[in-house]
Amino acid sequence: NAGVMQNPRHLVRRRGQEARLRCSPMKGHSHVYWYRQLPEEGLKFMVYLQKENIIDESGMPKERFSAEFPKEGPSILRIQQVVRGDSAAYFCASSPMMGEQFFGPGTRLTVL
Amino acid sequence: KQEVTQIPAALSVPEGENLVLNCSFTDSAIYNLQWFRQDPGKGLTSLLLIQSSQREQTSGRLNASLDKSSGRSTLYIAASQPGDSATYLCAVPSGGYQKVTFGTGTKLQVIP
Repeated sequence: NAGVMQNPRHLVRRRGQEARLRCSPMKGHSHVYWYRQLPEEGLKFMVYLQKENIIDESGMPKERFSAEFPKEGPSILRIQQVVRGDSAAYFCASSPMMGEQFFGPGTRLTVL
Repeated sequence: KQEVTQIPAALSVPEGENLVLNCSFTDSAIYNLQWFRQDPGKGLTSLLLIQSSQREQTSGRLNASLDKSSGRSTLYIAASQPGDSATYLCAVPSGGYQKVTFGTGTKLQVIP
């Protein structure tokens, strides 16, 4: 049973471009969470999704950021028109209902 | 709103010492509590998960305790080794499901 997979592991974008981060949860997990870790800061919750539903997006910036978890395929965190302040490590986690969260290796986004 | 604090923020000990990391949380209505390890530039490694009905969990040289009523957890590391050097994070779900709030972290350095 493969763990949570994230790709790409490293992503470089220029200001104004779009960034797409992918997360494949562990097999059998229907809950996905995205977290952001800014340089020298702690991990902050962004969004919680179940299949085809956003349950809680209270931690996600209102503009430029969106997330989805379609019926088929990975969860996608999309950042439009990236700015330097978006440079961070983005972690995805998955869990079965009310279970332990398992984290992916993260995607490190660098905005030039 | 759940707030999670970890003390100390940084700790440097000689190899072989036993040590205790502390975590406190403000909302005691939790389902579980997780301790993670994060190496520089890396992802999260889950160390221990304590369910709300448990008081402690052990894995090798690690022992985590949970006191829900007082909003505290401790991570005990026995016979510390240089390989234990990392940042240790306490994480608590809240909000009726598993939206996780992370602590501020304790950066541990074990000196050979």
